[in-house]
Amino acid sequence: KQEVTQIPAALSVPEGENLVLNCSFTDSAIYNLQWFRQDPGKGLTSLLLIQSSQREQTSGRLNASLDKSSGRSTLYIAASQPGDSATYLCAVMDSGAGSYQLTFGKGTKLSVIP
Amino acid sequence: SQTIHQWPATLVQPVGSPLSLECTVEGTSNPNLYWYRQAAGRGLQLLFYSVGIGQISSEVPQNLSASRPQDRQFILSSKKLLLSDSGFYLCAWNLGGGNTIYFGEGSWLTVV
Repeated sequence: KQEVTQIPAALSVPEGENLVLNCSFTDSAIYNLQWFRQDPGKGLTSLLLIQSSQREQTSGRLNASLDKSSGRSTLYIAASQPGDSATYLCAVMDSGAGSYQLTFGKGTKLSVIP
Repeated sequence: SQTIHQWPATLVQPVGSPLSLECTVEGTSNPNLYWYRQAAGRGLQLLFYSVGIGQISSEVPQNLSASRPQDRQFILSSKKLLLSDSGFYLCAWNLGGGNTIYFGEGSWLTVV
């Protein structure tokens, strides 16, 4: 059974700092990996999707990397802003029984201090 | 563009009462549809998914059921709510395979 772990559970940084969020998964036979953002009391917003054949994806100040063989992914946020404060969730997609399903980590709660 | 709507946004229900949460997707056809639950201090848990009308797969045995009466409509139901059913329920969709999954705004359920 796939398990996804995110470290740290919470992170507080001053505005302008670059930061890295970590995600690890136990079964490397994944289809893809997705990073999401969740604001308090809200749904999830998709940030980046990395296919299993890719090593990284970039969107603006965000860069996500994937090392499938070691079961790790990182989300790099450059020049952090207070508006980046949210919980960031990592999810891996497996294929099994004819469907594709996401397994989520518990998230990293990021606070960017002005 | 595609949008996903989920309602109601919040509800407070007594133990033993019925439940109906609705989700619709606009701007696409034949989506895969999903219901997730996010309980306090826990990760998102997949409850049900559907790859087509009338096709429902359950991931976790529980007090809930799901139905897909139309291509872009997904309903989460319960006949008698339990306290443990409290949580944040999220509907989601994608176009199958390993495509990006998009989530609705969620429904907060408190069972009292």
